[in-house]
Amino acid sequence: DAKTTQPNSMESNEEEPVHLPCNHSTISGTDYIHWYRQLPSQGPEYVIHGLTSNVNNRMASLAIAEDRKSSTLILHRATLRDAAVYYCILIRGGADGLTFGKGTHLIIQP
Amino acid sequence: NAGVTQTPKFQVLKTGQSMTLQCAQDMNHNSMYWYRQDPGMGLRLIYYSASEGTTDKGEVPNGYNVSRLNKREFSLRLESAAPSQTSVYFCAGHQGLLRTGELFFGEGSRLTVL
Repeated sequence: DAKTTQPNSMESNEEEPVHLPCNHSTISGTDYIHWYRQLPSQGPEYVIHGLTSNVNNRMASLAIAEDRKSSTLILHRATLRDAAVYYCILIRGGADGLTFGKGTHLIIQP
Repeated sequence: NAGVTQTPKFQVLKTGQSMTLQCAQDMNHNSMYWYRQDPGMGLRLIYYSASEGTTDKGEVPNGYNVSRLNKREFSLRLESAAPSQTSVYFCAGHQGLLRTGELFFGEGSRLTVL
């Protein structure tokens, strides 16, 4: 499976935008880019996914580089509830489950 | 809709004891999974079931067995618990293709083996 690289932790202020980077230089053409997050003491939850084009949903936006070797999860206006570990995961056809790395621990300051 | 429900939420075992973690979903998931998460780590796949009646090993299957009882239920059994199995266990499921869909997780079962 292609590997992703994320910063161990990031800090941001409440009500400001947050840009969470992910590098995936060995991504293959059919790999989808998924983001999940895990709030404290909870199971992971889906955030967003994309293949080539940028994507928006009610939770976040996903910006995918033109060469697909990196992507950025954008939280437009962080709240304290967004403090979590964010996982960037590549999923290919026929994948059996998700492979989680250590993710980025996002800290939100009031 | 209850979603993905795990029981028990907490359990303490002594080394050598056995127990079963239960998972049930009411979201019509074809595929179901069991993961474990150790402190400060990402989740690791133990076993999965792509459909009713089938099960396959994941990354860390040793010491565990699973049963896909029906489409709704997927249980994880520890036959002889060891301290190394102290962890938080998550059940998950999805419908359709994983790469274009969404994996739904339960709230977790925290297991301590003394």
